[in-house]
Amino acid sequence: EVQLVESGGGLVQPGRSLKLSCAASGFTFSDYNMAWVRQAPTKGLEWVASISYGGSNTHYGDSVKGRFTISRDNAKSTLYLQMDSLRSEDTATYYCARGTFAYWGQGTLVTVSS
Amino acid sequence: DIQMTQSPSSMSASLGDRVTITCRASQDIGNYLSWFQQKPGKSPRRMIYGATNLAAGVPSRFSGSRSGSDYSLTISSLESEDMAIYYCLQSIQYPFTFGSGTKLEIK
Repeated sequence: EVQLVESGGGLVQPGRSLKLSCAASGFTFSDYNMAWVRQAPTKGLEWVASISYGGSNTHYGDSVKGRFTISRDNAKSTLYLQMDSLRSEDTATYYCARGTFAYWGQGTLVTVSS
Repeated sequence: DIQMTQSPSSMSASLGDRVTITCRASQDIGNYLSWFQQKPGKSPRRMIYGATNLAAGVPSRFSGSRSGSDYSLTISSLESEDMAIYYCLQSIQYPFTFGSGTKLEIK
């Protein structure tokens, strides 16, 4: 059974950093591109970033480019999102998703507030 | 960036009704269009991929179609469990972009 479990969310002050993790199981992690998608409270879905299966290619949404870094450790079957210079508008539930978004994690809430 | 214009933003329909939600792409996206269902407090669920392909485990009353740059999700006979917000997503070009969502309510 495919499982994606996010962790690392929480309350953080503006300007600070946070690193999210997504632990994958039930499939060969290194075979799939991965992505992060976020959803601000009561708002729609927003694609944040994607990474190729080997980790060599990354893409970012305009709202996070230069502040967020997506990475992966295929040996640990884990996806990461390093979030720096956080802003109040980054407050959202962050989901990791596999490949063509067939599978999603349960999400982890990030709240940016002083 | 490719814009996905989704309509309507909300709708109310009766059980058994045929329901159609549409996304229009601002550029050619071929068939790189997926539809997702999201219920309150839950993660999104992929319903349709490749514009017309039913995802695993999705009831056959759901279908996807394409007419030019217009993509549609149709529920042939609405059931109470279909109450949710539906989103389209284009994945042909980065940045990937979602439609703004359609909130489907049951009358």
